[in-house]
Amino acid sequence: QTVVTQEPSFSVSPGGTVTLTCGLSSGSVSSIYHPSWYQQTPGQAPRTLIYNTDTRSSGVPDRFSGSILGTKAALTITGAQADDECDYYCVLYVSGGFRVFGGGTKLTVL
Amino acid sequence: EEQLVESGGGLVQPGGSLRLSCAASGFTLRNLDMSWVRQAPGRGLQWLSCISGRGGGTDYADSVRGRFILSRDDPKNTVFLQINRLRVEDTAVYYCVTTRDVTRFDHWGQGTLVTVSS
Repeated sequence: QTVVTQEPSFSVSPGGTVTLTCGLSSGSVSSIYHPSWYQQTPGQAPRTLIYNTDTRSSGVPDRFSGSILGTKAALTITGAQADDECDYYCVLYVSGGFRVFGGGTKLTVL
Repeated sequence: EEQLVESGGGLVQPGGSLRLSCAASGFTLRNLDMSWVRQAPGRGLQWLSCISGRGGGTDYADSVRGRFILSRDDPKNTVFLQINRLRVEDTAVYYCVTTRDVTRFDHWGQGTLVTVSS
């Protein structure tokens, strides 16, 4: 069974830069897994930030960027703002038509 | 305005069934892949199933294969998720989402809550 791993929580100072990662329990993430990133605030449906590794969704500020760092997909947020404080999820395409979400990262801005 | 509206959730006893609907307005679902994603209370997102917009082929997560059936009615601009043999752990908000570029879920409905309890 494929497990997609994310940091359970992360903190960043206002104005700072943070990189969240998305890995596999076994193996490396690459662009063939089509990593995408979602932002979710409490009580709301998720919002697409990044898809296909590094393509920013329409309307997403360029403070958000996606990449592959080593063996993982990464979401980097620069100039962190208070309203960036929420949950972030990655999702990978893991062959055979299956998509698997990571467990999510709760980001705190303080 | 482009919208997806889910319906059909509710309270059901373990072992029961539900049929969730997802109706699109403001755009056509024709040729679009569509997925269902759920979120249990206080938990993360879980991809469940996807139906192809070309041919109607389906994929399911291992945890729901055999119990969940995804279908679509393009003339009615609607997709359906039949959930059988419901378990307590199926309690969640169920979202339908448009699926482009494999993992790009760009249109989300407001979700419909399914509660499985005796």
